[in-house]
Amino acid sequence: KQEVTQIPAALSVPEGENLVLNCSFTDSAIYNLQWFRQDPGKGLTSLLLIQSSQREQTSGRLNASLDKSSGRSTLYIAASQPGDSATYLCATQYNFNKFYFGSGTKLNVKP
Amino acid sequence: DGGITQSPKYLFRKEGQNVTLSCEQNLNHDAMYWYRQDPGQGLRLIYYSQIVNDFQKGDIAEGYSVSREKKESFPLTVTSAQKNPTAFYLCAVGQGFGNTIYFGEGSWLTVV
Repeated sequence: KQEVTQIPAALSVPEGENLVLNCSFTDSAIYNLQWFRQDPGKGLTSLLLIQSSQREQTSGRLNASLDKSSGRSTLYIAASQPGDSATYLCATQYNFNKFYFGSGTKLNVKP
Repeated sequence: DGGITQSPKYLFRKEGQNVTLSCEQNLNHDAMYWYRQDPGQGLRLIYYSQIVNDFQKGDIAEGYSVSREKKESFPLTVTSAQKNPTAFYLCAVGQGFGNTIYFGEGSWLTVV
Protein backbone atom coordinates (compact mmCIF):
# COMPACT_ATOMS: atom_id res chain seq x y z
CA LYS A 1 0.00 0.00 0.00
CA GLN A 2 1.21 3.47 -0.85
CA GLU A 3 2.29 5.63 2.05
CA VAL A 4 2.51 9.38 1.71
CA THR A 5 4.50 11.30 4.30
CA GLN A 6 4.76 15.02 4.82
CA ILE A 7 7.48 16.51 6.95
CA PRO A 8 7.41 18.70 8.94
CA ALA A 9 3.93 18.42 10.40
CA ALA A 10 4.01 22.11 11.26
CA LEU A 11 6.11 25.06 10.18
CA SER A 12 6.22 28.66 11.34
CA VAL A 13 8.08 31.31 9.32
CA PRO A 14 8.26 35.11 9.20
CA GLU A 15 6.54 36.90 6.38
CA GLY A 16 8.59 37.25 3.21
CA GLU A 17 10.55 34.05 3.63
CA ASN A 18 10.85 31.51 0.84
CA LEU A 19 9.98 28.02 2.02
CA VAL A 20 9.81 24.40 0.91
CA LEU A 21 7.28 21.79 1.93
CA ASN A 22 8.15 18.14 1.45
CA CYS A 23 6.13 15.14 0.36
CA SER A 24 7.47 11.61 0.02
CA PHE A 25 5.75 8.48 -1.25
CA THR A 26 6.76 4.84 -1.15
CA ASP A 27 5.56 3.56 -4.55
CA SER A 28 6.77 5.43 -7.63
CA ALA A 29 4.12 3.94 -9.97
CA ILE A 30 1.91 7.01 -9.75
CA TYR A 31 -0.09 8.75 -12.45
CA ASN A 32 0.12 12.15 -10.90
CA LEU A 33 0.68 14.08 -7.72
CA GLN A 34 -1.40 16.99 -6.49
CA TRP A 35 -0.87 19.66 -3.89
CA PHE A 36 -3.85 21.02 -2.00
CA ARG A 37 -4.47 23.79 0.47
CA GLN A 38 -6.91 23.38 3.36
CA ASP A 39 -8.06 26.25 5.56
CA PRO A 40 -9.39 25.41 9.05
CA GLY A 41 -12.78 23.70 8.87
CA LYS A 42 -12.89 23.91 5.09
CA GLY A 43 -12.54 21.62 2.12
CA LEU A 44 -9.41 21.16 0.04
CA THR A 45 -8.48 23.54 -2.76
CA SER A 46 -6.31 22.20 -5.56
CA LEU A 47 -3.12 24.19 -6.06
CA LEU A 48 -1.02 22.26 -8.54
CA LEU A 49 -1.26 18.98 -10.43
CA ILE A 50 1.89 17.31 -11.76
CA GLN A 51 1.50 14.45 -14.20
CA SER A 52 3.94 11.56 -13.86
CA SER A 53 5.71 12.61 -17.07
CA GLN A 54 6.32 16.14 -15.79
CA ARG A 55 9.06 17.42 -13.53
CA GLU A 56 7.41 20.56 -12.24
CA GLN A 57 4.46 22.91 -12.36
CA THR A 58 4.22 26.58 -11.50
CA SER A 59 1.38 28.84 -10.50
CA GLY A 60 2.16 32.35 -9.34
CA ARG A 61 4.39 32.14 -6.26
CA LEU A 62 4.03 28.37 -6.09
CA ASN A 63 6.28 25.83 -7.74
CA ALA A 64 5.91 22.09 -7.31
CA SER A 65 8.48 19.54 -8.40
CA LEU A 66 8.23 15.80 -8.81
CA ASP A 67 10.97 13.17 -8.72
CA LYS A 68 9.30 9.81 -9.20
CA SER A 69 12.47 7.79 -8.98
CA SER A 70 13.21 9.05 -5.49
CA GLY A 71 9.56 9.19 -4.43
CA ARG A 72 9.63 12.87 -3.58
CA SER A 73 7.81 16.08 -4.34
CA THR A 74 8.39 19.58 -3.03
CA LEU A 75 6.17 22.62 -2.93
CA TYR A 76 8.12 25.87 -3.04
CA ILE A 77 6.37 29.02 -1.84
CA ALA A 78 8.12 32.28 -2.68
CA ALA A 79 7.84 35.43 -0.61
CA SER A 80 5.41 33.94 1.89
CA GLN A 81 2.49 36.03 3.16
CA PRO A 82 0.22 35.70 6.21
CA GLY A 83 -2.57 34.70 3.81
CA ASP A 84 -0.57 31.60 2.94
CA SER A 85 -1.20 30.24 6.43
CA ALA A 86 -3.07 26.96 6.01
CA THR A 87 -2.48 23.22 5.92
CA TYR A 88 -0.91 21.92 2.72
CA LEU A 89 -1.58 18.33 1.66
CA CYS A 90 -0.13 16.28 -1.13
CA ALA A 91 -1.85 13.32 -2.78
CA THR A 92 -0.75 10.70 -5.28
CA GLN A 93 -3.09 9.05 -7.78
CA TYR A 94 -2.72 5.43 -8.86
CA ASN A 95 -5.91 4.70 -10.69
CA PHE A 96 -9.46 5.95 -10.91
CA ASN A 97 -10.24 5.64 -7.25
CA LYS A 98 -6.89 5.45 -5.59
CA PHE A 99 -5.72 8.74 -4.18
CA TYR A 100 -3.36 8.57 -1.22
CA PHE A 101 -3.15 11.66 0.94
CA GLY A 102 -0.47 12.80 3.31
CA SER A 103 -1.49 14.15 6.70
CA GLY A 104 -0.36 17.64 5.74
CA THR A 105 2.01 20.40 6.83
CA LYS A 106 0.41 23.16 8.86
CA LEU A 107 2.01 26.44 7.82
CA ASN A 108 1.91 29.62 9.87
CA VAL A 109 3.31 32.78 8.29
CA LYS A 110 3.87 35.45 10.92
CA PRO A 111 3.40 39.14 10.01
CA ASP B 1 -15.03 24.02 -4.44
CA GLY B 2 -17.15 26.00 -6.87
CA GLY B 3 -20.02 23.78 -7.96
CA ILE B 4 -20.01 21.27 -5.11
CA THR B 5 -22.49 21.70 -2.28
CA GLN B 6 -22.35 19.70 0.91
CA SER B 7 -25.05 19.89 3.54
CA PRO B 8 -25.53 20.22 6.38
CA LYS B 9 -22.31 21.87 7.52
CA TYR B 10 -22.79 20.63 11.08
CA LEU B 11 -24.75 17.56 12.15
CA PHE B 12 -25.26 15.90 15.51
CA ARG B 13 -26.16 12.24 15.74
CA LYS B 14 -27.58 10.40 18.68
CA GLU B 15 -26.49 6.88 19.46
CA GLY B 16 -28.29 4.35 17.27
CA GLN B 17 -29.37 6.89 14.71
CA ASN B 18 -28.72 6.91 10.97
CA VAL B 19 -27.88 10.25 9.38
CA THR B 20 -27.44 11.28 5.76
CA LEU B 21 -24.96 13.78 4.37
CA SER B 22 -25.80 15.41 1.08
CA CYS B 23 -23.40 16.11 -1.81
CA GLU B 24 -24.60 17.83 -4.97
CA GLN B 25 -22.47 18.95 -7.93
CA ASN B 26 -23.09 20.98 -11.06
CA LEU B 27 -19.68 20.42 -12.65
CA ASN B 28 -21.00 17.58 -14.82
CA HIS B 29 -18.21 15.29 -13.64
CA ASP B 30 -18.73 11.54 -13.68
CA ALA B 31 -16.70 10.56 -10.62
CA MET B 32 -17.74 11.32 -7.07
CA TYR B 33 -16.01 10.39 -3.83
CA TRP B 34 -16.60 10.45 -0.08
CA TYR B 35 -13.65 10.88 2.27
CA ARG B 36 -13.35 10.98 6.01
CA GLN B 37 -10.80 13.21 7.74
CA ASP B 38 -9.84 12.84 11.38
CA PRO B 39 -7.82 15.53 13.18
CA GLY B 40 -4.19 15.62 12.11
CA GLN B 41 -4.66 12.79 9.66
CA GLY B 42 -4.88 12.39 5.94
CA LEU B 43 -8.09 11.62 4.06
CA ARG B 44 -9.45 8.09 3.92
CA LEU B 45 -11.74 6.90 1.13
CA ILE B 46 -15.19 5.66 2.16
CA TYR B 47 -16.97 5.14 -1.17
CA TYR B 48 -16.60 6.25 -4.75
CA SER B 49 -18.76 6.20 -7.86
CA GLN B 50 -17.68 6.35 -11.49
CA ILE B 51 -21.14 6.46 -13.08
CA VAL B 52 -24.80 6.61 -12.15
CA ASN B 53 -26.17 3.51 -10.43
CA ASP B 54 -22.68 2.19 -9.72
CA PHE B 55 -20.48 2.67 -6.66
CA GLN B 56 -17.59 0.87 -5.00
CA LYS B 57 -16.33 0.52 -1.45
CA GLY B 58 -13.24 2.36 -0.41
CA ASP B 59 -10.85 1.58 2.41
CA ILE B 60 -13.24 2.26 5.31
CA ALA B 61 -16.76 1.50 3.99
CA GLU B 62 -18.01 -0.44 7.02
CA GLY B 63 -20.90 1.37 8.70
CA TYR B 64 -21.56 3.62 5.70
CA SER B 65 -23.85 3.40 2.67
CA VAL B 66 -24.30 5.47 -0.49
CA SER B 67 -26.49 5.76 -3.55
CA ARG B 68 -25.96 7.29 -7.00
CA GLU B 69 -29.34 7.68 -8.64
CA LYS B 70 -28.45 10.92 -10.40
CA LYS B 71 -25.20 12.17 -11.85
CA GLU B 72 -25.41 15.29 -9.71
CA SER B 73 -25.99 13.63 -6.36
CA PHE B 74 -24.05 11.21 -4.14
CA PRO B 75 -25.51 11.10 -0.60
CA LEU B 76 -23.70 9.33 2.22
CA THR B 77 -25.57 7.62 5.06
CA VAL B 78 -23.72 7.07 8.32
CA THR B 79 -25.44 4.12 9.94
CA SER B 80 -25.62 3.10 13.57
CA ALA B 81 -23.14 0.35 12.71
CA GLN B 82 -20.39 2.97 12.40
CA LYS B 83 -18.98 2.93 15.91
CA ASN B 84 -16.83 6.04 15.72
CA PRO B 85 -18.52 8.42 13.28
CA THR B 86 -17.35 11.72 14.73
CA ALA B 87 -15.24 13.25 11.95
CA PHE B 88 -15.09 15.74 9.10
CA TYR B 89 -16.62 14.35 5.89
CA LEU B 90 -15.54 15.56 2.48
CA CYS B 91 -17.20 14.99 -0.85
CA ALA B 92 -15.11 15.27 -4.01
CA VAL B 93 -15.77 15.10 -7.74
CA GLY B 94 -13.47 14.52 -10.68
CA GLN B 95 -13.15 13.57 -14.30
CA GLY B 96 -11.16 10.42 -13.70
CA PHE B 97 -7.62 9.57 -14.56
CA GLY B 98 -5.02 12.26 -14.49
CA ASN B 99 -7.34 15.09 -13.63
CA THR B 100 -7.75 17.30 -10.63
CA ILE B 101 -10.36 16.39 -8.07
CA TYR B 102 -12.46 19.10 -6.51
CA PHE B 103 -13.73 19.14 -2.95
CA GLY B 104 -16.81 20.48 -1.25
CA GLU B 105 -16.65 22.52 1.95
CA GLY B 106 -17.17 19.47 4.16
CA SER B 107 -19.61 18.40 6.84
CA TRP B 108 -18.86 17.98 10.53
CA LEU B 109 -20.57 15.04 12.21
CA THR B 110 -20.59 14.73 15.98
CA VAL B 111 -22.10 11.96 18.08
CA VAL B 112 -23.93 13.21 21.17
